Amino acid sequence: LAKTTQPISMDSYEGQEVNITCSHNNIATNDYITWYQQFPSQGPRFIIQGYKTKVTNEVASLFIPADRKSSTLSLPRVSLSDTAVYYCLVGDKGSSNTGKLIFGQGTTLQVKP
Amino acid sequence: GAVVSQHPSRVICKSGTSVKIECRSLDFQATTMFWYRQFPKQSLMLMATSNEGSKATYEQGVEKDKFLINHASLTLSTLTVTSAHPEDSSFYICSARMPGQGQPQHFGDGTRLSIL
Repeated sequence: LAKTTQPISMDSYEGQEVNITCSHNNIATNDYITWYQQFPSQGPRFIIQGYKTKVTNEVASLFIPADRKSSTLSLPRVSLSDTAVYYCLVGDKGSSNTGKLIFGQGTTLQVKP
Repeated sequence: GAVVSQHPSRVICKSGTSVKIECRSLDFQATTMFWYRQFPKQSLMLMATSNEGSKATYEQGVEKDKFLINHASLTLSTLTVTSAHPEDSSFYICSARMPGQGQPQHFGDGTRLSIL
C-alpha cells in the first residue's frame, strides 16, 4: 500500500483558503486518493475522492497532477469549525485486495478567529 | 446521513470483562468491513479486515484470540474484546465500503472503551 506524507500541522484564519498537500510517490495504477476529516472522539468523515486531475464537491476541491505522486486538498474560506485532523489516503478500490486503507499521521488544521 | 452505525458509543467496564462492539452498514450490504483502533493524539491503526462468511484477516501484531471478529451477515460485523484489561482502553472505529467501483469507505462514530 502506498505511503502518504503530509504536514503534521497547519494554521489558518477564518475566511482563508487552505491547501493541504499530500505526497504519495509510490501510488499504484489502481489507487484512488481519498481525504477524510476527523474531529476528536468521532470517526473520520469522508470529504472527497479522486483518481486524476481535479474533483470538486460542495465542501472541497482535490487537485491531482498528471503523475499522481501528490495531491492537494483545497478548503475554501475555512471557519472555526474546520479545525480538525485531515487524512490523505491512497487505496485500491478495484482489486481483490479488499480496499483496505492505512492511515498516516494526518494534518492537524487549526483555524483561528 | 450516516451510512455506518456503531454501537455502543461508550463502554466502561471492569478488567476481565469481555466487550462486544457492533458495526452495521445502513441500507447497503458490505461483504467487507474494517476495524481500527485509535489511541489519544495518534492516527487510526488498522486492526483487521472483517469478511462476511469467512474468517477475519488480522494485521500483524493484533491478537486474533483477543479481538474476536464475527461478520455473520452482510450488514453486521462485531468486534469482541475478550478479557479486557486497562491497556485495551482505546477508541475503536469500524468502516465499510459501499458496493461499486471507486466507492469510498465510510466510518462509524467510534466506540470509546474504558477498562477500569
